[in-house]
Amino acid sequence: QKEVEQDPGPLSVPEGAIVSLNCTYSNSAFQYFMWYRQYSRKGPELLMYTYSSGNKEDGRFTAQVDKSSKYISLFIRDSQPSDSATYLCAMKGGSTLGRLYFGRGTQLTVWP
Amino acid sequence: DSGVTQTPKHLITATGQRVTLRCSPRSGDLSVYWYQQSLDQGLQFLIQYYNGEERAKGNILERFSAQQFPDLHSELNLSSLELGDSALYFCASSIAGAGANVLTFGAGSRLTVL
Repeated sequence: QKEVEQDPGPLSVPEGAIVSLNCTYSNSAFQYFMWYRQYSRKGPELLMYTYSSGNKEDGRFTAQVDKSSKYISLFIRDSQPSDSATYLCAMKGGSTLGRLYFGRGTQLTVWP
Repeated sequence: DSGVTQTPKHLITATGQRVTLRCSPRSGDLSVYWYQQSLDQGLQFLIQYYNGEERAKGNILERFSAQQFPDLHSELNLSSLELGDSALYFCASSIAGAGANVLTFGAGSRLTVL
């Protein structure tokens, strides 16, 4: 079993839809949770960063972490064609120099 | 521009050859990470350096090696290349301390082995 599982999609939605992206994980030591966005032929860029359980909102984006279920989510409200990209979840344990574990990424297309 | 510079952007070579990928981290970042991204495997962690010293090793093949130099730039050496080594290779950097949870990625080096 991989440490981080993420459905690769692809996911295709109309403009304005609410998008839900999810990851599950098996390592209970993970404390830091991130979502990266990767446009085609570009490097991943950090979108959201959360510590431990709870919600975090940034504009149209909301990240949720449920450590009891080992489940994290990213919600995108009022999705735009410019949101079309691959979204990767990432997480790590408490060591400040520990490595990040990535999901495989979900490919999202928002059509006008 | 993320501030992490990777060269070359594209590289085409033949099986059995050796290549070197170069990475300059963001100014002030002490940690450098190398990742391999292929269609079927996603982002795979290869190796991490912190201030010139190796700190963590992932799924890095024995044919691959890396180092971080005193000026903090890093090089990833890939030798005896095989078709399966064709992938995007990303370098990422982070600061020390609590901020080390956030990685900033470069644009990647696309390696094609023919």
